[in-house]
Amino acid sequence: QVQLQQSGPGLVRPSQTLSLTCAISGDNVSSDDATWNWIRQSPSRGLEWLGRTYYRSKWYNDFALSVKSRIAIKPDTSKSQFSLQLNSVTPEDTAVYYCVRGRPGSLHFDYWGQGALVTVSS
Amino acid sequence: QTLVTQEPSFSVSPGGTVTLTCGLNSGSVSTTEHPSWYQQNPGRAPRTLIYNTNSRSSGVPDRFSGSILGNKAALTITGAQADDESEYYCVLYLGRGISVFGGGTKLTVL
Repeated sequence: QVQLQQSGPGLVRPSQTLSLTCAISGDNVSSDDATWNWIRQSPSRGLEWLGRTYYRSKWYNDFALSVKSRIAIKPDTSKSQFSLQLNSVTPEDTAVYYCVRGRPGSLHFDYWGQGALVTVSS
Repeated sequence: QTLVTQEPSFSVSPGGTVTLTCGLNSGSVSTTEHPSWYQQNPGRAPRTLIYNTNSRSSGVPDRFSGSILGNKAALTITGAQADDESEYYCVLYLGRGISVFGGGTKLTVL
């Protein structure tokens, strides 16, 4: 059974960097049969896919256009986890953030982390 | 900007059948977009119901089914139950690694 455990601060100051980590158990971040995604949810923006990382002989990333200029998603193979960094945050980035496993063939999301509320406020 | 459209709300009687749809403001939805459907209850992470248009995720009751109806993806619940009252989201894959969520449909069973 795949489990995703999220961690990171719940409060970030405007213009700073939001950082979250997702620890994977029951699978491996280097799996060639998975993608590792970050998705957020807020009342104003609904559910929003932010981006993904995955390994196919080398590492790849894809990002949503809305955040492409200020997002990074990085794997940590030594700990089988992956992280989200979102730079220059504003209050509009306040949301519940989920780490999610994706399936490359069917392009859907099957396992979700518990979610973490991140508030951007001074 | 490409938008994925869903009905904001729907209601169904217990035991009834309801079909929720998922469209694109820029054109038709087909299997190429790999439609998937998720159910979300308050305070919980979404749960996968349907993927690849019409494949049921493990443990999902067979009263949930997916299809393409006309130019949209569709989620049909046949024999709705009280605990189907929830928010339902579709996701479409738009190519180049990008997936987009619809705005969700709040389903009421009454």
